[in-house]
Amino acid sequence: QSALTQPASVSGSPGQSITISCAGTRNDVGAYNYVSWYQQHPGKAPKLMIYEVSNRPSGVPDRFSGSKSDNTASLTISGLQPEDEADYYCSSYTRRSTLVFGGGTRVTVL
Amino acid sequence: EVHLLESGGGLVQPGGSLRLSCAASEFTFSNYAMNWVRQAPGKGLEWVSAITGSAGSTYYADSVKGRFTISRDNSKNTLYLQMNSLRVEDTAVYFCARASTVVAPRNLDYWGQGTLVTVSS
Repeated sequence: QSALTQPASVSGSPGQSITISCAGTRNDVGAYNYVSWYQQHPGKAPKLMIYEVSNRPSGVPDRFSGSKSDNTASLTISGLQPEDEADYYCSSYTRRSTLVFGGGTRVTVL
Repeated sequence: EVHLLESGGGLVQPGGSLRLSCAASEFTFSNYAMNWVRQAPGKGLEWVSAITGSAGSTYYADSVKGRFTISRDNSKNTLYLQMNSLRVEDTAVYFCARASTVVAPRNLDYWGQGTLVTVSS
């Protein structure tokens, strides 16, 4: 099972918007609306930020949003904040009933 | 507040075995599928295995199939990962994570802090 494809890094200034892409195939991202996004700060456990493509768990700021088109999902952070600096991972449920993660994207707030 | 606490990590030689545990609390354990996810030093997340709430079905990544076995004891609210024939490339922090559904590995909504497994001679 190949990992989903994410850019290695994305950066932006405070207040700006950034978008992270997550490219998969018709066997994972394109097959179901079960794409999730996780935020991980150094030395910490991952935190669920978006589930089922575009849903935010309770407590996640509404500046985080998700979308999907065909085999590619995206996470957008609007109004970037210093505390948003972290690694971000997408994941997708697959046709083999497994889970696959992206390689991760380091977000830097300039 | 949901709590997941992993234990059992440590140093093991290549070819050796180790069993990880994950103690769960503050939720009805049997109502949720559970997962193991690992992260090699300085690398990204890799899903390892999942088990349904009833333990009726298990799922594995190709990289561990045939070597690792996931199980759970719902009477003890504990998840396990038996790791055999360990390789150097299995070195990682192992997280247990709850899925938001009972039957499938998706939407990992709560995570433990992880336990480090080091495979080295």
